Amino acid sequence: GAGVSQTPSNKVTEKGKYVELRCDPISGHTALYWYRQSLGQGPEFLIYFQGTGAADDSGLPNDRFFAVRPEGSVSTLKIQRTERGDSAVYLCASSPVRGPQETQYFGPGTRLLVL
Amino acid sequence: GQQLNQSPQSMFIQEGEDVSMNCTSSSIFNTWLWYKQDPGEGPVLLIALYKAGELTSNGRLTAQFGITRKDSFLNISASIPSDVGIYFCAGQLRHSGGSNYKLTFGKGTLLTVNP
Repeated sequence: GAGVSQTPSNKVTEKGKYVELRCDPISGHTALYWYRQSLGQGPEFLIYFQGTGAADDSGLPNDRFFAVRPEGSVSTLKIQRTERGDSAVYLCASSPVRGPQETQYFGPGTRLLVL
Repeated sequence: GQQLNQSPQSMFIQEGEDVSMNCTSSSIFNTWLWYKQDPGEGPVLLIALYKAGELTSNGRLTAQFGITRKDSFLNISASIPSDVGIYFCAGQLRHSGGSNYKLTFGKGTLLTVNP
């Protein structure tokens, strides 16, 4: 079946602009995570959705970052007034109804470059 | 954000050699995971460990969950060229009745295999 998809695959923007990154999770997966991966680093947690609600947004670096999942499926990560330090790969992962051994399946990521 | 201590940072080996990498944390986890990431792709789960002391194999891969719950190692036997990539450890803390299973990653081990 189809895996997690993310669009766009690459995004180049100018400092100060607004960007939206989209994640399509695996069908039926209720849990959705956003991570950010800087060059040479491992992914870092940003925000977690269970269904439509953001259950944990403690990883968002500041209030320029916001994410939504209005219908409990597709999610959009929104970044306002982008800064050069926001350049990174933004990864989305989804997992099925939580259980003792749930697995997070990752998408290929969106590579964001802020000039 | 927190990242786990993963070593070595990189390894250059000959095809057929065995490889070992490890991960330590200052805090405990009740699940340890090992992922592999190829260029332009998201991380893919290799092995999951759910109990302290557990030793699990997946083909040529073997991983162990440390007794202290603060460390894990991954061994790859008889390496082949397609083992090339970045390997990440990840810790997960599952709370009874909780719902956020966010992952905390190491910085990765870059593996290069010379044929």
